[in-house]
Amino acid sequence: KQEVTQIPAALSVPEGENLVLNCSFTDSAIYNLQWFRQDPGKGLTSLLLIQSSQREQTSGRLNASLDKSSGRSTLYIAASQPGDSATYLCAVNNDRGSTLGRLYFGRGTQLTVWP
Amino acid sequence: SAVISQKPSRDICQRGTSLTIQCQVDSQVTMMFWYRQQPGQSLTLIATANQGSEATYESGFVIDKFPISRPNLTFSTLTVSNMSPEDSSIYLCSVGVTLNTEAFFGQGTRLTVV
Repeated sequence: KQEVTQIPAALSVPEGENLVLNCSFTDSAIYNLQWFRQDPGKGLTSLLLIQSSQREQTSGRLNASLDKSSGRSTLYIAASQPGDSATYLCAVNNDRGSTLGRLYFGRGTQLTVWP
Repeated sequence: SAVISQKPSRDICQRGTSLTIQCQVDSQVTMMFWYRQQPGQSLTLIATANQGSEATYESGFVIDKFPISRPNLTFSTLTVSNMSPEDSSIYLCSVGVTLNTEAFFGQGTRLTVV
């Protein structure tokens, strides 16, 4: 069964810092990996989707990398802002052994950026 | 992309009652899922909503407790039946158009059972 782990569980930083959030998964047979943002009590907002054949994706101040063979992904946030405060979730989509399209989630990294 | 409207956004319910959550998508989608997020936990898949047939439930979830309907490719409902305080969670509807594209989520339903 796929297991997804995110480190650190929580992170508190001053505004302007560059951040690294880590995600690891146990089964490398994935279709893709997706990073989400969740604000308190809200649904999920998709940030970046990386296909299994890709190494990285960028959107604005966000950059996500994927090392499928080692079961790792990293979300890099440049020049953090207080508005980035949220929980960041990593999810993988297996390409075998499970319902197609279902996602396996980590517990998330709770990020606080203070002014 | 897909825009998902999920209702209600929150509710407080008495134990023993049932609540039906609706998920409406602005376009036809092949894949539709229901997840649960218990306090302080990550998301767990409840079931896959199949259009025109019975939902496919994950281990630990049963149809009597979480009946699901999906009458067409844009709409689904999840009912939480005979609720207890342990059912207090956020329930989220998710859709996928293809395996190569992003998964999208509704805004969630925050359920509190008292």
